Amino acid sequence: GAVVSQHPSRVICKSGTSVKIECRSLDFQATTMFWYRQFPKKSLMLMATSNEGSKATYEQGVEKDKFLINHASLTLSTLTVTSAHPEDSSFYICSASTGGRGGYTFGSGTRLTVV
Amino acid sequence: GQNIDQPTEMTATEGAIVQINCTYQTSGFNGLFWYQQHAGEAPTFLSYNVLDGLEEKGRFSSFLSRSKGYSYLLLKELQMKDSASYLCAVLYDYKLSFGAGTTVTVRA
Repeated sequence: GAVVSQHPSRVICKSGTSVKIECRSLDFQATTMFWYRQFPKKSLMLMATSNEGSKATYEQGVEKDKFLINHASLTLSTLTVTSAHPEDSSFYICSASTGGRGGYTFGSGTRLTVV
Repeated sequence: GQNIDQPTEMTATEGAIVQINCTYQTSGFNGLFWYQQHAGEAPTFLSYNVLDGLEEKGRFSSFLSRSKGYSYLLLKELQMKDSASYLCAVLYDYKLSFGAGTTVTVRA
């Protein structure tokens, strides 16, 4: 089945630094990937849609200069949290559409802690 | 806007049946998904409904009524490993909007 690999699974960084999270589709090509954020015991909130070879589409209220998304190939999308602050601490998850009834496959998530 | 409602928590006994309801009001509709999510892990696909009716897959079944904006996920013969959060998600314009999730606790 379709597999989406996300790295790192956990990261701790200092305030003011930047963190890059990678999302790879391992056995299929994903022209579109999605980035979500999830707070404890809350649902997934779509942050942006990543389109291969073009600019990402951000949801209302998401700062595009803070959450940089790059989708340079059909199998890789990256999310960079720039100048991270403690309030950016969260669980970030990517997903890709596999088409048909299989829906959307999710990466394993990245737990970001900013100290 | 998108409004997707589901109960926050449910508790059931091992071997029992639990039904998780989901109501939605969205600006469009291309289908409804149910996902299972264990704490700290990514959601895993359970079911997809795009037409009205019941879809059965082993111990899990999902129902959809588009006219009522309503779906439910039915879990039968509950096992301890079914303790998890269950997310209802509506697909529109290729994007998924999620409900807040229902935490199901299975007790022995």
